[in-house]
Amino acid sequence: GAVVSQHPSWVICKSGTSVKIECRSLDFQATTMFWYRQFPKQSLMLMATSNEGSKATYEQGVEKDKFLINHASLTLSTLTVTSAHPEDSSFYICSARRTEPLNTEAFFGQGTRLTVV
Amino acid sequence: EDKVVQSPLSLVVHEGDTVTLNCSYEVTNFRSLLWYKQEKKAPTFLFMLTSSGIEKKSGRLSSILDKKELFSILNITATQTGDSAVYLCAVLSNSGYALNFGKGTSLLVTP
Repeated sequence: GAVVSQHPSWVICKSGTSVKIECRSLDFQATTMFWYRQFPKQSLMLMATSNEGSKATYEQGVEKDKFLINHASLTLSTLTVTSAHPEDSSFYICSARRTEPLNTEAFFGQGTRLTVV
Repeated sequence: EDKVVQSPLSLVVHEGDTVTLNCSYEVTNFRSLLWYKQEKKAPTFLFMLTSSGIEKKSGRLSSILDKKELFSILNITATQTGDSAVYLCAVLSNSGYALNFGKGTSLLVTP
């Protein structure tokens, strides 16, 4: 089956620094990847849709300048949390689906637990 | 606005019990409904349902979709402690590629 790899699995950073999270599709090309955020005991909230070769589409309420997304190749999308603050501490998960056929499941990365101190 | 509502939000059962998890949805241009199991990290795929009335089965887990009444159920028979997890329902619409998730049902199976 398809595999999506996310790195790092956990990171602790100081307030004010930036953190980059990588998401790779290992055995298929993903023109579109998705970034989700999950708070404890809550569901996955879509943050943005990452489009290869073009700008990401952000969900309402998600700051574009704070959560920078780059999708430079068909197998890699990155999420950079800029000037991180403690309230950015969360579980971030990326996801990718094959573009064709239309009805395929989404595969998830392992997730990144971000703690900002 | 698309909605995915799961019930119950949490459930505690004894090993060997059978459980039924519910997912109702209101989605424009529905394409498919998916069930995932999430333990400590990323969700793992269970089922994708596209057609009404066709049961999908995998071991002790099964699921079915009712597109007329806009809901799906996930059944787990002879539950085991390893079934303890959050079960997420998500819907895919024709308007985009992203999954819209419900809040999940947290299942705890006690010995």
